[in-house]
Amino acid sequence: EVQLVESGGGLVQPGGSLRLSCAASGFTFSSYEMNWVRQAPGKGLEWVSYISSSGSTIYYADSVKGRFTISRDNAKNSLYLQMNSLRAEDTAVYYCAREGWLQLNAFDIWGQGTMVTVSS
Amino acid sequence: QSALTQPASVSGSPGQSITISCTGTSSDVGGYNYVSWYQQHPGKAPKLMIYDVSNRPSGVSNRFSGSKSGNTASLTISGLQAEDEADYYCSSYTSSSTLAVFGGGTKLTVL
Repeated sequence: EVQLVESGGGLVQPGGSLRLSCAASGFTFSSYEMNWVRQAPGKGLEWVSYISSSGSTIYYADSVKGRFTISRDNAKNSLYLQMNSLRAEDTAVYYCAREGWLQLNAFDIWGQGTMVTVSS
Repeated sequence: QSALTQPASVSGSPGQSITISCTGTSSDVGGYNYVSWYQQHPGKAPKLMIYDVSNRPSGVSNRFSGSKSGNTASLTISGLQAEDEADYYCSSYTSSSTLAVFGGGTKLTVL
């Protein structure tokens, strides 16, 4: 079964850091581009970051640029999001999402999400 | 990068058809055929319903269709069913310094 499972969410104080992980299974992880998408409570979806299959090409939303770092370990079938200098507005469910094979902007597999709460 | 513009809500009766619009600019929706649509039920992860403006992934009902005209993309759901009640989001590739942008979401109510 094709699956993505996020972990690492939790409660963190403003200015703090958190590292999210996304474990992939059921497909050849190293062949697929990956993304992080977030959703604040009661709000819509917001694309956060993209990483190519090799990890050589990376993009960020303006709202997280300079604070968040996306990375992947193809040997471990894992995607990561290092979040620093966290703000209250970063509070959201964070989803990892697979880019469809040879697709652009088609997120065909999603994890169940992990909740990040930034609060003092 | 501003979000794409979607109506906050739409509604329809079972069996009817509805259309949800998604308006962007020539830098995103109007410039590329990389528009996708997602269905999200409460407490669940989003599900891809349409990609590349009008293509359906395997397993998605043919009651769902997509189109585009100029800077506006549309999702049409025909033969509305109770289980279609959900939030729907459009997304587009963008040529800005980021990569992708979502719409604000549309809540579909099946009356």
